[in-house]
Amino acid sequence: DAGITQSPRHKVTETGTPVTLRCHQTENHRYMYWYRQDPGHGLRLIHYSYGVKDTDKGEVSDGYSVSRSKTEDFLLTLESATSSQTSVYFCAISEYEGAAYEQYFGPGTRLTVT
Amino acid sequence: SQKIEQNSEALNIQEGKTATLTCNYTNYSPAYLQWYRQDPGRGPVFLLLIRENEKEKRKERLKVTFDTTLKQSLFHITASQPADSATYLCALYSGGGADGLTFGKGTHLIIQP
Repeated sequence: DAGITQSPRHKVTETGTPVTLRCHQTENHRYMYWYRQDPGHGLRLIHYSYGVKDTDKGEVSDGYSVSRSKTEDFLLTLESATSSQTSVYFCAISEYEGAAYEQYFGPGTRLTVT
Repeated sequence: SQKIEQNSEALNIQEGKTATLTCNYTNYSPAYLQWYRQDPGRGPVFLLLIRENEKEKRKERLKVTFDTTLKQSLFHITASQPADSATYLCALYSGGGADGLTFGKGTHLIIQP
């Protein structure tokens, strides 16, 4: 498996609380992505990064922010969690420019917002 | 709007037969198409990538075709095995930057022994 870890792996939190999910890679890949996966929707892109401090929004970015201060770490923050953000969150990395090349996914974080 | 469709119903195949999964897309002109495998509780794993100027790509027992006229990709697993049981995801990238992939909802494949 590609060297991608996500933490925490499971989290239960209450509505209105801030939550930060961490993605850590040991591959030194430039591109990093956050997706969420929900039944009936499949994987949807939240935010992505194309370098340190370089990030952009994806399809479902409302309510989420990201930061990348180091090549190896990409953080996803829910400023004020809502029940609609209950989901499984996947981080992915890619070595080459753009998503024209394969992506490697982490094991996922299951987040439940009560 | 752009749309990717995969058969949402589970596909049951007898062991040893060829499994064929379909990915249809609309309002895309993808430069690349990818297939991933996802097992329960795990992240997707990349299988194959095919470019728009390629008609067919093979890897061991896997074969992918890409018909840009029909706007369709077929994913074949020959000599299927119970270990091939998983959800298979089709993903498209239209090109032009570091955007992420757009995924279909996946087809759940069950290989019966």
